[in-house]
Formats: sequence, structure tokens, C-alpha cells
Amino acid sequence: ILNVEQSPQSLHVQEGDSTNFTCSFPSSNFYALHWYRWETAKSPEALFVMTLNGDEKKKGRISATLNTKEGYSYLYIKGSQPEDSATYLCASLDNYGQNFVFGPGTRLSVLP
Amino acid sequence: KAGVTQTPRYLIKTRGQQVTLSCSPISGHRSVSWYQQTPGQGLQFLFEYFSETQRNKGNFPGRFSGRQFSNSRSEMNVSTLELGDSALYLCASSLASSSSYEQYFGPGTRLTVT
Repeated sequence: ILNVEQSPQSLHVQEGDSTNFTCSFPSSNFYALHWYRWETAKSPEALFVMTLNGDEKKKGRISATLNTKEGYSYLYIKGSQPEDSATYLCASLDNYGQNFVFGPGTRLSVLP
Repeated sequence: KAGVTQTPRYLIKTRGQQVTLSCSPISGHRSVSWYQQTPGQGLQFLFEYFSETQRNKGNFPGRFSGRQFSNSRSEMNVSTLELGDSALYLCASSLASSSSYEQYFGPGTRLTVT
């Protein structure tokens, strides 16, 4: 069973600050990593699907990198805005079970 | 394009009963996955259906089952409900295998077991 960890658990930043958080996953038998943003009272929204070592993906002010050899992914938010406040989840998938294991999430609060 | 819909949105059941939840995926999506979200355990994968076949299954007891119809709509059934089954149940659809494609989540069904 995969163990996916995320840090920090929560984060408070000021509007305009850039921030980043980490998702750690077992590197053996890695298949894919997903990032999601989950705002309160809404459904999780897909941000990125990453599969290749060294992958870098970007969507607006949000970007992510992937290191499958050491088992981590970083999510970066440039110039945080209050609307970025949400819980950011990563989910890892391995070659065996082909089922998703979600991390506990990083709760981001952007203060105006 | 209409999003993923789930019915019902809220449900209250008593212990020992059984419940069926429904999920209609985005048109054209063939994969439907189900998740359980509880405060203590976070978001946990239940199972995935693709072309009416269960592809993957998480670590849940046999009381949790599902199926998918030819129009890709999916149902999840929980038998002999326990208090610990109280949770938000989310379904998500994707074009094909959920491992390689973005998943689009529905609004969820909030199940309360008393």
C-alpha cells in the first residue's frame, strides 16, 4: 500500500507571496501523480497529471515538477491570490494496484 | 458540456440498511471512479469502472460494491450500513483510464448513518 505524504499540513501566506509545497510518494513502481485543488463547498478540481521524471507543468500562476527517482513533486504558486485559498491534494498511482492513494493535503490560506 | 452529477446529494440512513448512490459522468467519459472522504481518513479510493468492468479496487470491505451501465452511468451500493460509513462520497469521471487522464469530480453525496 502506498503512503503519500504532503507538507506542510497548512500554510498561511500574504497576498502576492509565492509559495510551494511538497508531495512525497514511494518511488518504486511509480505510474502517475495527480494534483488537485479542493475549495471549500466545491468539488476537487484537477490541476495536473504527471507521469515522466523531470516533468514540469504549468497552468497560469501554478506550476508543478516531478521527480520519480526520489519520489517527490513540488507545487508552486506564484503571486498568491485570496482565490488560491484551498486544500491542495496529490494522489499517486503505482503499477501494481492501479488505484489512487491520496495524500492528506496542504491547506493554503491567502490573506488579503 | 454538463458536468458530473450525483444523486442524491444528501441521505440519512440507519445502521443495517443499505444504500445506492448514482453518478452520471460527463458525456463521452467512459471511466467512473468512486471515493470516500471522511475527516479522519481523508480521501480514499473505492473503485474504478471502465466500459462496465471494474478495473481497480481500493481497500474497502465487500459491503461496498458498484456497477457501471452501458451509458457509463455508475451506481455504488453499500450494504449493512455502519456508523463509520458516514462520509462524503464523490465520483469522478475521465475520458479513459483515470490514471492518465484528468478526473472531473461531481458534487458528492453526503451520507449520514444514524
